[in-house]
Amino acid sequence: NAGVMQNPRHLVRRRGQEARLRCSPMKGHSHVYWYRQLPEEGLKFMVYLQKENIIDESGMPKERFSAEFPKEGPSILRIQQVVRGDSAAYFCASSPAQGTNYGYTFGSGTRLTVV
Amino acid sequence: DAKTTQPNSMESNEEEPVHLPCNHSTISGTDYIHWYRQLPSQGPEYVIHGLTSNVNNRMASLAIAEDRKSSTLILHRATLRDAAVYYCILRDYGQNFVFGPGTRLSVLP
Repeated sequence: NAGVMQNPRHLVRRRGQEARLRCSPMKGHSHVYWYRQLPEEGLKFMVYLQKENIIDESGMPKERFSAEFPKEGPSILRIQQVVRGDSAAYFCASSPAQGTNYGYTFGSGTRLTVV
Repeated sequence: DAKTTQPNSMESNEEEPVHLPCNHSTISGTDYIHWYRQLPSQGPEYVIHGLTSNVNNRMASLAIAEDRKSSTLILHRATLRDAAVYYCILRDYGQNFVFGPGTRLSVLP
């Protein structure tokens, strides 16, 4: 029973390039969440998606960032025209539902380095 | 959002019990208390959660004060692998998990 799978584990991009981060939720989980952790800082919520729908994107920067969770395939967090400040660990989590009694299962993260 | 207060850091000796406190004086009646931990270079890992009663699982115990304004995560025998940042989080229905700075636990051999 595989957990939340994120790839790649490490991603290096030059300034101005695009970064695509993938997340496959646990089997049976239809809710996906993305968090960002800047160096030496806490985890910050970015976006919450269900299949084909964005439910809450209140933590997403208004420009250059987008997320999707298509009917088939993994959730994708896309960062266009990356800048050095985008260097961080990006974690994806999934849950079977959104109720208070459901926890999140997190992946191991993608560490993005912008050079 | 309901807030929690945790010590920045704590130390423990290996194989001794560890009590990690969390204050949440503004907790509402429908907030669940969740604990997660984050080992170095890993994503957060679920530890335990509860509403009113004390809870036990294979990883830890959660002791919740009668007035629910505080709680304590108890690791019965700390191992080196338990060195991590521990997050105490309140969560109501429809809310996402909001992570604070947590408590950095060091375990000394």
